[in-house]
Amino acid sequence: LAKTTQPISMDSYEGQEVNITCSHNNIATNDYITWYQQFPSQGPRFIIQGYKTKVTNEVASLFIPADRKSSTLSLPRVSLSDTAVYYCLVGDIFTGGGNKLTFGTGTQLKVEL
Amino acid sequence: DGGITQSPKYLFRKEGQNVTLSCEQNLNHDAMYWYRQDPGQGLRLIYYSQIVNDFQKGDIAEGYSVSREKKESFPLTVTSAQKNPTAFYLCASSARQGSYEQYFGPGTRLTVT
Repeated sequence: LAKTTQPISMDSYEGQEVNITCSHNNIATNDYITWYQQFPSQGPRFIIQGYKTKVTNEVASLFIPADRKSSTLSLPRVSLSDTAVYYCLVGDIFTGGGNKLTFGTGTQLKVEL
Repeated sequence: DGGITQSPKYLFRKEGQNVTLSCEQNLNHDAMYWYRQDPGQGLRLIYYSQIVNDFQKGDIAEGYSVSREKKESFPLTVTSAQKNPTAFYLCASSARQGSYEQYFGPGTRLTVT
């Protein structure tokens, strides 16, 4: 699995857009990029997944440049409830949901009033 | 309701005792996983199973054992050989291929004294 690097922490205020960037320089051709969110004392929750360009759902957007060596999770108009740890993962989804996921330490996002 | 259940939420044991953590899913997922999370750390994979009656060691399998006799169930036993068993344990499941979307249970916080 490709190694990922993301900031340890970020601070923001309610109503702002937050962009969390993840570096994955050795991403492979078949690798997809997936982001999870985790609140304290809970299991992580899948947010979004993408391969290239831009993916958007009701929660977030994922921007992936042409070289795919990085990706940016964009959270529009954050609220206090978006305070959580965000994990970026990279891997080949077609070798399995049975494939191993490697969670790093993630990015601790803190949203204030 | 479809989902993953883990029980109990909190578990206390004396050192030297084996303890089994329960994980059940009704999502009809083939793959199931056990992770361990220590304070301020990411998740580390203990064991995973892609199909009934088959399972593989993850990154930190020593001192743990699992079984997968039914598709719905993937219990984890923390044995007395595990040096530092106190942690937050998370169970997850996923479709076998085509997604990195793992569904996590609420977790079991194990304290061994």
